Amino acid sequence: AQTVTQSQPEMSVQEAETVTLSCTYDTSESDYYLFWYKQPPSRQMILVIRQEAYKQQNATENRFSVNFQKAAKSFSLKISDSQLGDAAMYFCAYRSNTGKLIFGQGTTLQVKP
Amino acid sequence: GAVVSQHPSWVICKSGTSVKIECRSLDFQATTMFWYRQFPKQSLMLMATSNEGSKATYEQGVEKDKFLINHASLTLSTLTVTSAHPEDSSFYICSARDLGRMNNSPLHFGNGTRLTVT
Repeated sequence: AQTVTQSQPEMSVQEAETVTLSCTYDTSESDYYLFWYKQPPSRQMILVIRQEAYKQQNATENRFSVNFQKAAKSFSLKISDSQLGDAAMYFCAYRSNTGKLIFGQGTTLQVKP
Repeated sequence: GAVVSQHPSWVICKSGTSVKIECRSLDFQATTMFWYRQFPKQSLMLMATSNEGSKATYEQGVEKDKFLINHASLTLSTLTVTSAHPEDSSFYICSARDLGRMNNSPLHFGNGTRLTVT
């Protein structure tokens, strides 16, 4: 079975600075997708960024980028120029061929003004 | 963009009663929908996979007789919490994927339902 691990329950960053959230996963599949979701206090799940496992190039979406290391099964999220609105809980997620998403434990990000 | 509507957004019920939660894909078809449960400050735990026209697939440890899932059409799945107890109080979220899009399309989530059992 696949597992997703986020080892940082809480992280803090100064506004305008850069922060990296860690995520590792375990799978025997070769084809899969990885995602980062943001969950603000409203609890709405918001897609931040996605990565196809077959692509070597790291995904980037504006201030958000990932460091995907397939061999190490690592998928970290980097947030540049952090903004107050980035404060939320962030979930790393793995999607298998069955389509279901498996989430990590989550990391609560605090952004200090 | 694709939208998933979940209703109700919150519900309070008495212990022993049943509660139905609806999940609708508004502008796309979904043969498969997923139901998650989330306790405060914790992760989303997959409860079951809802399949249109067939039985749901439940994750280990989830009681299928307590959490009844019906997926009668390509746009609607329902989760019924039967004989609810206070420990069933939680945040329930559904999700679906647009069949008409590429395989790498993400899941679309409903806004969730906060269930409180008194």
